[in-house]
Amino acid sequence: DAKTTQPTSMDCAEGRAANLPCNHSTISGNEYVYWYRQIHSQGPQYIIHGLKNNETNEMASLIITEDRKSSTLILPHATLRDTAVYYCIVRKSGAGSYQLTFGKGTKLSVIP
Amino acid sequence: KAGVTQTPRYLIKTRGQQVTLSCSPISGHRSVSWYQQTPGQGLQFLFEYFSETQRNKGNFPGRFSGRQFSNSRSEMNVSTLELGDSALYLCASSFEAGSTEAFFGQGTRLTVV
Repeated sequence: DAKTTQPTSMDCAEGRAANLPCNHSTISGNEYVYWYRQIHSQGPQYIIHGLKNNETNEMASLIITEDRKSSTLILPHATLRDTAVYYCIVRKSGAGSYQLTFGKGTKLSVIP
Repeated sequence: KAGVTQTPRYLIKTRGQQVTLSCSPISGHRSVSWYQQTPGQGLQFLFEYFSETQRNKGNFPGRFSGRQFSNSRSEMNVSTLELGDSALYLCASSFEAGSTEAFFGQGTRLTVV
């Protein structure tokens, strides 16, 4: 699976949009971009995933550049409960097993 | 429906002992994966089981083993515990390999003294 690069930490004011970038310049055509987050002392939680089109669900939006070398996770109105470590993961489609390769992630702090 | 259940939540063991951790996946899910999380190495994949067969294995020594039962419940075992095995052990379940989402349990916090 391709490697990802994320900033170590970010701050965001409560109520503002949080934009979390991820670089995956070696991504191949059959690899999806996944985002998970881990709130302190809990197991990771799935947020969203995409291949090449922008995706939106009730939690977030995922914007993938046209060349697919980078993406941005957007939390439209960050709350204090969004404070967590966010992981950007690249995973092959049709993989024979559900394996996630986690990097260091971005520690997002939502400030009141 | 009930989420992924891991037991016990906390465990303290002595070096050299062995330990068994348990994971009950979401009902109907057949894939169970295990991860180790430490401050230094982050989240690392241990292994995955599907229909009682180990389908994938991470880069861990043979002291780490697991199994899955016919009801999809899984156990992982660590023998001859070392101080460095102190970690949060997380279990994740998904319906199958092609699933879009894995659901994680709260983890078992293992401390080796």
